[in-house]
Amino acid sequence: GESVGLHLPTLSVQEGDNSIINCAYSNSASDYFIWYKQESGKGPQFIIDIRSNMDKRQGQRVTVLLNKTVKHLSLQIAATQPGDSAVYFCAEGATGGGNKLTFGTGTQLKVEL
Amino acid sequence: EPEVTQTPSHQVTQMGQEVILRCVPISNHLYFYWYRQILGQKVEFLVSFYNNEISEKSEIFDDQFSVERPDGSNFTLKIRSTKLEDSAMYFCASSQETQYFGPGTRLLVL
Repeated sequence: GESVGLHLPTLSVQEGDNSIINCAYSNSASDYFIWYKQESGKGPQFIIDIRSNMDKRQGQRVTVLLNKTVKHLSLQIAATQPGDSAVYFCAEGATGGGNKLTFGTGTQLKVEL
Repeated sequence: EPEVTQTPSHQVTQMGQEVILRCVPISNHLYFYWYRQILGQKVEFLVSFYNNEISEKSEIFDDQFSVERPDGSNFTLKIRSTKLEDSAMYFCASSQETQYFGPGTRLLVL
């Protein structure tokens, strides 16, 4: 995968358990946040996004929580499956098209059978 | 489902050579981006492009880099004189608002 040279934080979970991946963002001015999943050798794949006027947003098996007070973002994956194994990145930016995203370091999620 | 495509998937070049990385964004998207990811590191923004102009560029995007939308479908990144440190995965993305990424081009500069 893309982890050579950098020791990513790793989260190991049992199949079927819930996963929680955390992210601290840096820019208080950011008002748009995204979670991406990156499998080995592939590009970042959009999972879910949230705007700063929300605290929580749910998708299919995933929930994103935003705490603007402490600049913290989390991704919850329900009933984790082997196919969820990947590196997960949070990214911050501004609403509206054309704005750059600033990515976090990433967390390696490993799902054990 | 529409997706961003990139070619080539892999490119090996000699230091000092020019390379052109190609992308076909999602057809109804208006904003285009290039990012790079050095092996084992996080994804870094290079440049954004809208209405045939660069909207924003990072410090990485120096005079060796250029972008172009030569026709209605392609979006290219050119590196004029590659350096060893340009070795990375290069990702194209496009958006209305949410950015969708292509599979990347792995560039290796020898």
